[in-house]
Amino acid sequence: KAGVTQTPRYLIKTRGQQVTLSCSPISGHRSVSWYQQTPGQGLQFLFEYFSETQRNKGNFPGRFSGRQFSNSRSEMNVSTLELGDSALYLCASQSRTSGYTDTQYFGPGTRLTVL
Amino acid sequence: TQLLEQSPQFLSIQEGENLTVYCNSSSVFSSLQWYRQEPGEGPVLLVTVVTGGEVKKLKRLTFQFGDARKDSSLHITAAQPGDTGLYLCSGTDSWGKLQFGAGTQVVVTP
Repeated sequence: KAGVTQTPRYLIKTRGQQVTLSCSPISGHRSVSWYQQTPGQGLQFLFEYFSETQRNKGNFPGRFSGRQFSNSRSEMNVSTLELGDSALYLCASQSRTSGYTDTQYFGPGTRLTVL
Repeated sequence: TQLLEQSPQFLSIQEGENLTVYCNSSSVFSSLQWYRQEPGEGPVLLVTVVTGGEVKKLKRLTFQFGDARKDSSLHITAAQPGDTGLYLCSGTDSWGKLQFGAGTQVVVTP
């Protein structure tokens, strides 16, 4: 099976702009979670989507939003970028079909730099 | 507050030495995962442990899940430079929330 893919791998934006990141989960996985990772804060949970519905949400401002499509692909959008949004954004997919599995499989991440 | 506490935060050793990193909590977890992350890449799953007292071996890596399912350890024998990375543990707590530890940065020098 192909792994989780994220595009683009690198992005440079300026303050005030918006950005959209994309994630394709492992085939057959219906859950996609997004995380922000910074050296100071570690892995911070943004939100989880399952079958096109947001199931869980972390403590991030409304500038951070996401959606999931019928093919389980997901996008994350950040509007009005701030310098502090510079981070590695990780997407993770889970099966969540037969019973409950805690294991998440991560993509390589998108490195966002805000200037 | 991190529900999962990892220690130490940083570990630097010479090639060939052994090391152990820990993942501790006051909460019970239904399962626990260990990941290794290299700079600029996503975490790569190493193992999932689900049974209290379980021990899993992956070549030179030994993972143990505590009897009470509140803690876990990762032991690396004869570390190599390729073992360098950020080691993360994660687990689902009794409220169904997936938690991640802050990670242990391991550096193995030749």
